[in-house]
Amino acid sequence: AQTVTQSQPEMSVQEAETVTLSCTYDTSENNYYLFWYKQPPSRQMILVIRQEAYKQQNATENRFSVNFQKAAKSFSLKISDSQLGDTAMYFCAFMNPYRGYALNFGKGTSLLVTP
Amino acid sequence: EAGVVQSPRYKIIEKKQPVAFWCNPISGHNTLYWYLQNLGQGPELLIRYENEEAVDDSQLPKDRFSAERLKGVDSTLKIQPAELGDSAVYLCASSLGGTAHNEQFFGPGTRLTVL
Repeated sequence: AQTVTQSQPEMSVQEAETVTLSCTYDTSENNYYLFWYKQPPSRQMILVIRQEAYKQQNATENRFSVNFQKAAKSFSLKISDSQLGDTAMYFCAFMNPYRGYALNFGKGTSLLVTP
Repeated sequence: EAGVVQSPRYKIIEKKQPVAFWCNPISGHNTLYWYLQNLGQGPELLIRYENEEAVDDSQLPKDRFSAERLKGVDSTLKIQPAELGDSAVYLCASSLGGTAHNEQFFGPGTRLTVL
């Protein structure tokens, strides 16, 4: 079974600063997908960024980028130029395409962006 | 374009009572997911539909939970009878297809409180 671990329950960052959220996972598969989702206080889950394991290049989406270390099974999210609207729960998720397409989520990291 | 719609947003019931949640996916999305999110946890898959067929219900507690998607569009998740431990947020998500390349869009969820 795949497990996803987010070791930082809560984090805080000042506006305009950079913050990195950690995620590690455990799998014996070679081909899989990793995601970061954002869940603001309104509870609607939103996809932030996606990474295919077979791609060596780290994914980027505007101010969001990942550091994907396949050998270390690490998938961290970097948020640059943090904005107040980035305040939310952030969930790391794993998908094994050979066992259906359900997302296996970590417990989440609560990020607070302060003025 | 309307997102995933769920109702009700909040539900409070006494234990042993039945309860039902409704989900309307994004138009054209043939894959529908129900997730359970306990407080302080990431979502966990309950069931996944491809059109009207439940293709993954291995995590659905079938003694008290049931789900249906009769015409391959709207879906209903039912609990009968509800227990105290069922208090959680029930999330519905949909995607164009059940692959990793098709983003899962989440609804706002239904927060269930069982007294």
